[in-house]
Amino acid sequence: TAGITQAPTSQILAAGRSMTLRCTQDMRHNAMYWYRQDLGLGLRLIHYSNTAGTTGKGEVPDGYSVSRANTDDFPLTLASAVPSQTSVYFCASSSGPTMDEQFFGPGTRLTVL
Amino acid sequence: GQNIDQPTEMTATEGAIVQINCTYQTSGFNGLFWYQQHAGEAPTFLSYNVLDGLEEKGRFSSFLSRSKGYSYLLLKELQMKDSASYLCAVMDSNYQLIWGAGTKLIIKP
Repeated sequence: TAGITQAPTSQILAAGRSMTLRCTQDMRHNAMYWYRQDLGLGLRLIHYSNTAGTTGKGEVPDGYSVSRANTDDFPLTLASAVPSQTSVYFCASSSGPTMDEQFFGPGTRLTVL
Repeated sequence: GQNIDQPTEMTATEGAIVQINCTYQTSGFNGLFWYQQHAGEAPTFLSYNVLDGLEEKGRFSSFLSRSKGYSYLLLKELQMKDSASYLCAVMDSNYQLIWGAGTKLIIKP
């Protein structure tokens, strides 16, 4: 099985443009997450979804939005990108929203100029 | 605030043993996770501790002391492929993971 896939692998984006990062999992996991990882900092939670149809804000949600129309997909949208959103973005999923291990996608490296 | 502290970088020799420490201060505690992350790759799960004590899994062991807000990851018989970053993460009272910045482990032959 593929596990979790993310697209694109990398992207250079002009400031002010919008972009959607895609994430799909085939493990039928209920919970999904979006993190950003910046040098010298721990992973920071942007948004999460405990089950299809519900979403919640994490530690750094400003400038990002998500939707969870079905179990498999959890896209992350940047409405108007800014240079501070330059980062590596990881999507993750877990069987449930509590003490289960999280499985991570390969990441999307985004540069906003 | 919530805080996870771990050393930025450690160096060890192939075949040796290394201990990576993690201290935490979080609002609530629902377990502590260790993940491994090779450069340019995604984190992968290593271990989970929710009760005090040592959990052993092959060459890797993880220890937890909830009263001290302390954990360590012990890697034995180090191999070159163990060169990676090791991430400590605590699940808080809202069941969200709070992550440390990671410890980069360099293995020398």
